[in-house]
Amino acid sequence: QKEVEQNSGPLSVPEGAIASLNCTYSDRGSQSFFWYRQYSGKSPELIMSIYSNGDKEDGRFTAQLNKASQYVSLLIRDSQPSDSATYLCAVNTGGSYIPTFGRGTSLIVHP
Amino acid sequence: EAGVVQSPRYKIIEKKQPVAFWCNPISGHNTLYWYLQNLGQGPELLIRYENEEAVDDSQLPKDRFSAERLKGVDSTLKIQPAELGDSAVYLCASSVTVTTEAFFGQGTRLTVV
Repeated sequence: QKEVEQNSGPLSVPEGAIASLNCTYSDRGSQSFFWYRQYSGKSPELIMSIYSNGDKEDGRFTAQLNKASQYVSLLIRDSQPSDSATYLCAVNTGGSYIPTFGRGTSLIVHP
Repeated sequence: EAGVVQSPRYKIIEKKQPVAFWCNPISGHNTLYWYLQNLGQGPELLIRYENEEAVDDSQLPKDRFSAERLKGVDSTLKIQPAELGDSAVYLCASSVTVTTEAFFGQGTRLTVV
């Protein structure tokens, strides 16, 4: 079982809608959680990090962490076509602190 | 502040030839990562450095891959000899510490023909 799971999508939402991206992880000892955005042909770009349970907001982005249920999510409000990209979830797993990535979810925001 | 710099951006080589990638991390970042990314997949860790010490290198194919980080700053990743299956994007990332955010370079797209 892969340690970090994401639905590969694509997730298609209309412009202006809320996009919800989900990620589950297997290591209960994980402490650090990150969301990256990757445009086609480009390298991953950090969007947000979250370390404690609850919500963390940054502009149109909100990261949500629930350690008891072992999931982390990313909400994108007022989605724009420029948000169309692959969103990668990364988790620093347990004692080794290896940043492990999911395969990413492709998001398409259509006008 | 300059980001992570990688070179070359693209490399095309014939199989069995050697190839090397170079990475200059963000100044002050003690942790350096080399990742491999295949199309449609997330990055997969090859090796992590803490300063000049290599740790977490269990996924590095040591029969053909080698890496070094001299003086705890720049790093090189080498493949010798390259195989067709090595075609991928090689990403370098760095972070202040192992628990903080990692920032990626532009990557090197390797094509082995």
